[in-house]
Amino acid sequence: RKEVEQDPGPFNVPEGATVAFNCTYSNSASQSFFWYRQDCRKEPKLLMSVYSSGNEDGRFTAQLNRASQYISLLIRDSKLSDSATYLCVVPLGGSQGNLIFGKGTKLSVKP
Amino acid sequence: DGGITQSPKYLFRKEGQNVTLSCEQNLNHDAMYWYRQDPGQGLRLIYYSQIVNDFQKGDIAEGYSVSREKKESFPLTVTSAQKNPTAFYLCASRGTGQGRSTDTQYFGPGTRLTVL
Repeated sequence: RKEVEQDPGPFNVPEGATVAFNCTYSNSASQSFFWYRQDCRKEPKLLMSVYSSGNEDGRFTAQLNRASQYISLLIRDSKLSDSATYLCVVPLGGSQGNLIFGKGTKLSVKP
Repeated sequence: DGGITQSPKYLFRKEGQNVTLSCEQNLNHDAMYWYRQDPGQGLRLIYYSQIVNDFQKGDIAEGYSVSREKKESFPLTVTSAQKNPTAFYLCASRGTGQGRSTDTQYFGPGTRLTVL
């Protein structure tokens, strides 16, 4: 079975801190990867897509290590509004476009 | 506005009843998906449909049924055969064709089902 593994946390950090989440995956054929953000009792929303070695969007940086089969998400200068659960998502492969979701890493940013 | 809508937001069901959850999208997406999320768990795939009038079972299809009579709509019925239906149900859609954007699934706001 193809799996996606994440540290469930919670990660409790002060405002302004830098925090990093790791995710490992078992499907070596995956070409694209995603980080979704899910707020409490809400739907997941796409945060970043990763197609090559990495991607950066403001305070958020995603990096991909294909050899070791892990993806990381780095958040710099954490804000209170960054508090959420971050889901690592990997395509299953094939034409159906099905995704495998990690259980998520919970982040809590404190004042 | 383009997007995915789900209704109702909250649903209460008595044991032994069937209930149908609505999912509608106006994104012109071909593919649609139903997931279930339980506390502390990842999303699990119930059913998916790549095109109108066709759908496939996901990992946990037992006790559920779907239909895809229109491109915009993919309703999910939770039947009395589903032993533990209390959960958060999420519908998603994905564009198909060429390009990287077709990898991404976009979610509706979800329906929270509680069995009384």
